[in-house]
Amino acid sequence: EADIYQTPRYLVIGTGKKITLECSQTMGHDKMYWYQQDPGMELHLIHYSYGVNSTEKGDLSSESTVSRIRTEHFPLTLESARPSHTSQYLCASSGTPRGTQYFGPGTRLLVL
Amino acid sequence: DQQVKQNSPSLSVQEGRISILNCDYTNSMFDYFLWYKKYPAEGPTFLISISSIKDKNEDGRFTVFLNKSAKHLSLHIVPSQPGDSAVYFCAASATGANSKLTFGKGITLSVRP
Repeated sequence: EADIYQTPRYLVIGTGKKITLECSQTMGHDKMYWYQQDPGMELHLIHYSYGVNSTEKGDLSSESTVSRIRTEHFPLTLESARPSHTSQYLCASSGTPRGTQYFGPGTRLLVL
Repeated sequence: DQQVKQNSPSLSVQEGRISILNCDYTNSMFDYFLWYKKYPAEGPTFLISISSIKDKNEDGRFTVFLNKSAKHLSLHIVPSQPGDSAVYFCAASATGANSKLTFGKGITLSVRP
């Protein structure tokens, strides 16, 4: 079982606030991912990283940004939260070429 | 355009019986397939995977079957237990895609005691 952590687990915040969702893994995985998922829908990839100082946008356009300064840490930032950002955000990491990804517990974000 | 399709949104089975969850894909470049289980308010948990060079992979109560010609895979759970009640996601990746996964919308499985 992978060790990947996300904080906070739940966040209720007002429109216009800046937020950072934290994601850390202790497996030394090079690849890390952020997904957005709404009930009854598929997971949508919004950002990914293949290593330190590497970040790419995913398939779903997102107003969030990410950074990868350390292998184990992949935070996601929203500069100005809006109600449309309300969703579950899932972080994952992978250490194999074939791509089995291991997920954190997720952050449920509610923007009022 | 959805490349991974889980057309049945839900499935209900009796405890002890077999659960069969289906998944179809359209991208012929996909060559690695995974199933994840997800409880509400938690992250997905990896269950089982299969490479396109195989047509079956088994792990305990879970077996995944792959039919490449039909672009179809299925997850069998035998026997089903109430704790198996969750949302099951099918995912796929292609060689060279650097382990990026494409997910289906998930199937909600309910196992009745």
